[in-house]
Amino acid sequence: GQNIDQPTEMTATEGAIVQINCTYQTSGFNGLFWYQQHAGEAPTFLSYNVLDGLEEKGRFSSFLSRSKGYSYLLLKELQMKDSASYLCAVIDSNYQLIWGAGTKLIIKP
Amino acid sequence: DTAVSQTPKYLVTQMGNDKSIKCEQNLGHDTMYWYKQDSKKFLKIMFSYNNKELIINETVPNRFSPKSPDKAHLNLHINSLELGDSAVYFCASSQGGRELFFGEGSRLTVL
Repeated sequence: GQNIDQPTEMTATEGAIVQINCTYQTSGFNGLFWYQQHAGEAPTFLSYNVLDGLEEKGRFSSFLSRSKGYSYLLLKELQMKDSASYLCAVIDSNYQLIWGAGTKLIIKP
Repeated sequence: DTAVSQTPKYLVTQMGNDKSIKCEQNLGHDTMYWYKQDSKKFLKIMFSYNNKELIINETVPNRFSPKSPDKAHLNLHINSLELGDSAVYFCASSQGGRELFFGEGSRLTVL
């Protein structure tokens, strides 16, 4: 079957750095997304990786290793507004989007 | 202007009723989706439409029926509502297999 694993919950301190990991086992791979979802709101797009390596976008970076079936989202200079769920999603060989359950990130002052 | 808009945002109804949720996107995208997000926060694909053709239909009860009058609209109609249908329903759109843009969600509560 197809599976995406992320930690259920993480806690970090304001101003610090946090890394959220995502491992996947899917039938094929055509890209990986990270989305942010604040409580009671819709998911919003953060990043897209299809080739190995690091994609940097401001305070957020996303890394992909296709051979390891692994990605991480790195958040720097954490702010209170970064408290949210972070969803990893993989496009499989049929171009279907497979979603992880999300990681709830709690930022403490 | 809101890119993906869905109405209503909140819906409270009795078991057995029929209800509809509407979705419109003004992004010119060729694919639209309906997702269900339950209390465990899993996002589960229900349907997607590409140029008015259904291309995904997961194991969703036939009480749920998508209706797409044109490529900018994908409505969701639900017959004979059950308690387990209570969830947040998200409409989304995308172009060329790239990132999805989500609507604000419609929170359905079945009593």
